Amino acid sequence: DAEITQSPRHKITETGRQVTLACHQTWNHNNMFWYRQDLGHGLRLIHYSYGVHDTNKGEVSDGYSVSRSNTEDLPLTLESAASSQTSVYFCASSEGAGGSDTQYFGPGTRLTVL
Amino acid sequence: AQKITQTQPGMFVQEKEAVTLDCTYDTSDPSYGLFWYKQPSSGEMIFLIYQGSYDQQNATEGRYSLNFQKARKSANLVISASQLGDSAMYFCAMRERLSGNTPLVFGKGTRLSVIA
Repeated sequence: DAEITQSPRHKITETGRQVTLACHQTWNHNNMFWYRQDLGHGLRLIHYSYGVHDTNKGEVSDGYSVSRSNTEDLPLTLESAASSQTSVYFCASSEGAGGSDTQYFGPGTRLTVL
Repeated sequence: AQKITQTQPGMFVQEKEAVTLDCTYDTSDPSYGLFWYKQPSSGEMIFLIYQGSYDQQNATEGRYSLNFQKARKSANLVISASQLGDSAMYFCAMRERLSGNTPLVFGKGTRLSVIA
């Protein structure tokens, strides 16, 4: 069955370290998204991609970067982790057909920055 | 200004009763779509239901229905015959410019607790 996976599921790191969160989907979806979820804020968009080599900034992109070298993967990199980046991170993908195009989410990565 | 507003941080409902979760939205685009997702305590995000701005009828999916009032810019989720398994966070989301490929914008969510 097609799916979307994230790794690691839990990560503890220190302030200033570079961290990369992986996202892999097997639906062959064009669109991929990264969100962060914090209490009181819902889900906020970090970065997104509409296809290979395409990346776009979302609402809260400062301190994060992504690159899309193939259809299946969109890794999220925290260049220099900060305590404010402690959060649950969700990756999502969608076909990219517009309209009722539904986003399907991965299981999430809980990141703690000490 | 917030594009999606969910005014109820938390709600309680008795098992087997119906419950309405509120969602209001803000857009000047005539073409948009509204989505509801469920997030149980296990953390995954589950798509529930979709309503397009041009859809003539309110969307329904099993026990879920969407009370879409375009003039009021509201898209409330109605869950009929609540079950204990409905206890979860519920998020309303919107996509503008349906002909394009814009990302979803989410509200802050409503936590629903179903009481036996």
